[in-house]
Amino acid sequence: SAVISQKPSRDICQRGTSLTIQCQVDSQVTMMFWYRQQPGQSLTLIATANQGSEATYESGFVIDKFPISRPNLTFSTLTVSNMSPEDSSIYLCSVGTDAYEQYFGPGTRLTVT
Amino acid sequence: KNEVEQSPQNLTAQEGEFITINCSYSVGISALHWLQQHPGGGIVSLFMLSSGKKKHGRLIATINIQEKHSSLHITASHPRDSAVYICAVFTGNQFYFGTGTSLTVIP
Repeated sequence: SAVISQKPSRDICQRGTSLTIQCQVDSQVTMMFWYRQQPGQSLTLIATANQGSEATYESGFVIDKFPISRPNLTFSTLTVSNMSPEDSSIYLCSVGTDAYEQYFGPGTRLTVT
Repeated sequence: KNEVEQSPQNLTAQEGEFITINCSYSVGISALHWLQQHPGGGIVSLFMLSSGKKKHGRLIATINIQEKHSSLHITASHPRDSAVYICAVFTGNQFYFGTGTSLTVIP
């Protein structure tokens, strides 16, 4: 199993600012993912964070808006840039193993005013 | 059309009742996950299935690969089971998520 922590757990931000969310895993993992969960919705994959290379973004998500770093096999960051109220969501980091298991972080609850 | 469909969307039960949540999917999968999300937002993985049945405490998960269907059962439900239950399938290179079933167990 993998234990994942995220910082911050929640934040209230002003429109136009940026927030960086950190994801730390207690073991080395190959696959790290960032998800968004808008109010009342299920999870939507933003991107796959690849160690040592650029993240792979899903349709509808771009690097300028959601830059991701993955400096090593236990850590990743997601930045939500130039925020608007529509970015108010829960942002979740998850990791996958070669055995198709998936573990989720506790989430970051973002409110943009 | 969503690749993963769950039913019901919302469920209210009395404490002690037997609960079933259903999940149907339309893609070929390597594994199916049942996830639990509490109001704070964090998600816990309850089960990962690729065939048959798994049991953990009062929770039972079954999968029928031929019918592309899975069920999550909760026996002797308790108010602390109140949460959103999400079905997710892994195709081998990506996950698809259901929209979740919101369960409320009333004392």
